[in-house]
Amino acid sequence: KAGVTQTPRYLIKTRGQQVTLSCSPISGHRSVSWYQQTPGQGLQFLFEYFSETQRNKGNFPGRFSGRQFSNSRSEMNVSTLELGDSALYLCASSLMTSGGREETQYFGPGTRLLVL
Amino acid sequence: GENVEQHPSTLSVQEGDSAVIKCTYSDSASNYFPWYKQELGKRPQLIIDIRSNVGEKKDQRIAVTLNKTAKHFSLHITETQPEDSAVYFCAAIGGNMLTFGGGTRLMVKP
Repeated sequence: KAGVTQTPRYLIKTRGQQVTLSCSPISGHRSVSWYQQTPGQGLQFLFEYFSETQRNKGNFPGRFSGRQFSNSRSEMNVSTLELGDSALYLCASSLMTSGGREETQYFGPGTRLLVL
Repeated sequence: GENVEQHPSTLSVQEGDSAVIKCTYSDSASNYFPWYKQELGKRPQLIIDIRSNVGEKKDQRIAVTLNKTAKHFSLHITETQPEDSAVYFCAAIGGNMLTFGGGTRLMVKP
């Protein structure tokens, strides 16, 4: 099976712009989670989608949003970019079922975003 | 919400020695504890995991122990090798929300 893929891999934006990142989960995985990784804050949970619904949300401002499509692919959007949004954005997919136990999350390679 | 603390933040060992990384969590509802290894410039990779109904799990040179009463779990790497050098993250999952520890940079000196 192909692993989790993310596009683009690298992105440079300027303050005030908006950005959309894409994540394709492992085939058959229905849960997609997004994380922000920075040297100072480590790995922080953004949100998790399952069956096109956001089930969990981390402690990030409303500028960070996401969605999931019927094929389980997911996008996250960051509006009005700030310098502090520069980070590696990782998505992870898992086989999580609607009422089942937690399953292993497999990470994509990440999108490295630089805000100038 | 869940809070996961990880110690130490850096760990340097000689090749062949053992390395131990410890984590504590706060939410007693968490029931799945994966460990990830992240090499420089690469994605986190799962190396071992443990569920709350198990006290210990071993996979070759890597073992994880879990004490649910004390809410702490540990990663043990024996016979360390230079390729074990990486950042290791513990995590706790409850409700499919994965909360990471702050990471441990392990350096194995040849």
